[in-house]
Amino acid sequence: DTGVSQNPRHKITKRGQNVTFRCDPISEHNRLYWYRQTLGQGPEFLTYFQNEAQLEKSRLLSDRFSAERPKGSFSTLEIQRTEQGDSAMYLCASSSPSGTNTGELFFGEGSRLTVL
Amino acid sequence: AQSVTQLDSQVPVFEEAPVELRCNYSSSVSVYLFWYVQYPNQGLQLLLKYLSGSTLVESINGFEAEFNKSQTSFHLRKPSVHISDTAEYFCAVSRVGTSYGKLTFGQGTILTVHP
Repeated sequence: DTGVSQNPRHKITKRGQNVTFRCDPISEHNRLYWYRQTLGQGPEFLTYFQNEAQLEKSRLLSDRFSAERPKGSFSTLEIQRTEQGDSAMYLCASSSPSGTNTGELFFGEGSRLTVL
Repeated sequence: AQSVTQLDSQVPVFEEAPVELRCNYSSSVSVYLFWYVQYPNQGLQLLLKYLSGSTLVESINGFEAEFNKSQTSFHLRKPSVHISDTAEYFCAVSRVGTSYGKLTFGQGTILTVHP
């Protein structure tokens, strides 16, 4: 399968714990995005990487959240000191430069976080 | 800033009936428009897009959407639905001139096709 891969698919954690999600984009895509989706809502943009550079962060991304893409390939999204409000589906997407300009993002199946 | 409103959270229809999923947007600048679809247990997929040119755009599986600038709408239609069209549909916009995939999504419409 050469699509966008996200791990873990489900994570249940207690409030105050740290969690990390991993995204492996389509190999030839240099752009990678994180979105968050809560129940009954559409995805909301969190952040974006071009290669290893993080070029934009949404105001939704509080200082408890950190995203990295150290070698311009896979990316991680870490949430520190989780809160119940962090419970959501975290979506990763990737695109090529030409695909980006036409709005064609390729999404993974998401990582669902439940904070108890 | 842009916003997207999908007017129906759920749309139940019978197989072979026509369907329309409504989408309105608000933006102070020009936007590109998209419909994404999410089938059960799968990631979001691009269904169709409007970038410029003809205001009527079509997908390979029979859906079409028409960009109406005066009404700021981008409704999705299909003349005859199949069971396999059961999915959640998201309308989205991005700002013209944005060089990367920052999309603003609506809240989604769950289309359920009954036999």
